Amino acid sequence: SQTIHQWPATLVQPVGSPLSLECTVEGTSNPNLYWYRQAAGRGLQLLFYSVGIGQISSEVPQNLSASRPQDRQFILSSKKLLLSDSGFYLCAWSAGGTETQYFGPGTRLLVL
Amino acid sequence: QKEVEQDPGPLSVPEGAIVSLNCTYSNSAFQYFMWYRQYSRKGPELLMYTYSSGNKEDGRFTAQVDKSSKYISLFIRDSQPSDSATYLCVPGGGFKTIFGAGTRLFVKA
Repeated sequence: SQTIHQWPATLVQPVGSPLSLECTVEGTSNPNLYWYRQAAGRGLQLLFYSVGIGQISSEVPQNLSASRPQDRQFILSSKKLLLSDSGFYLCAWSAGGTETQYFGPGTRLLVL
Repeated sequence: QKEVEQDPGPLSVPEGAIVSLNCTYSNSAFQYFMWYRQYSRKGPELLMYTYSSGNKEDGRFTAQVDKSSKYISLFIRDSQPSDSATYLCVPGGGFKTIFGAGTRLFVKA
C-alpha cells in the first residue's frame, strides 16, 4: 500500500530564516506531487505541483520554491521566511491520470 | 464568484441525527466530485468520489450531485461523535481540482 510522509510535524522559525519541508511517498512510482497551504479557517491553496523529476509548476507567485530531486521526494523551500508564510503545509500525491489526491499528515509552520 | 462555496459552519447536531452538508460550484466543466474529511490538525482524507449526477451511497454516507444546478450534498445518517470534523467539497475536471474551504461539523454525544 502507498504511504506519504511529511516532516517535521511542527516548526517554529524566526522571520528571515530559511525553510525546508520534505515529503516522501512510498509504494508507488511516478506519482503527481502537490504542495498546499491551508490558513486557519481557509481552503487549500495549491502552491506547486509536479508530474515528474525536475518538473515543477507554480500556481501562486510567492516567497517559496519547490524541488523534486527524486521520483518520490518533494521539497518545499524558502530562503527567507515571512510572517505571512505561517500556516499548515500539506503534501499530496495522485497516480498519473487520476483525480484522487492522498494527503500527508501536514507540517504546522509558525513564523515569529 | 468563487469556484466552490460551502457554508463554513460550525454545524452542531446531536448524536444520531441526519446531517446534510451542501456545496455549490460555478464551473460547468467539472466532471467529478469528491468529499474529503479533515480532522483537526490532520491531512484531509478521501471520503466519497462520484463521477455523475445522482446518488452514491457508502455505509452511513450518501453523496448527491445535481449537475444541472451545480449543487453537491453529503448526507450522514446516524451521526456519531467520531464524525466531528471539517468536510471539504472538491469538484474537479479539465485538469483542475478545487478544494472548498469546508464545513465544520460537531456531533454531540
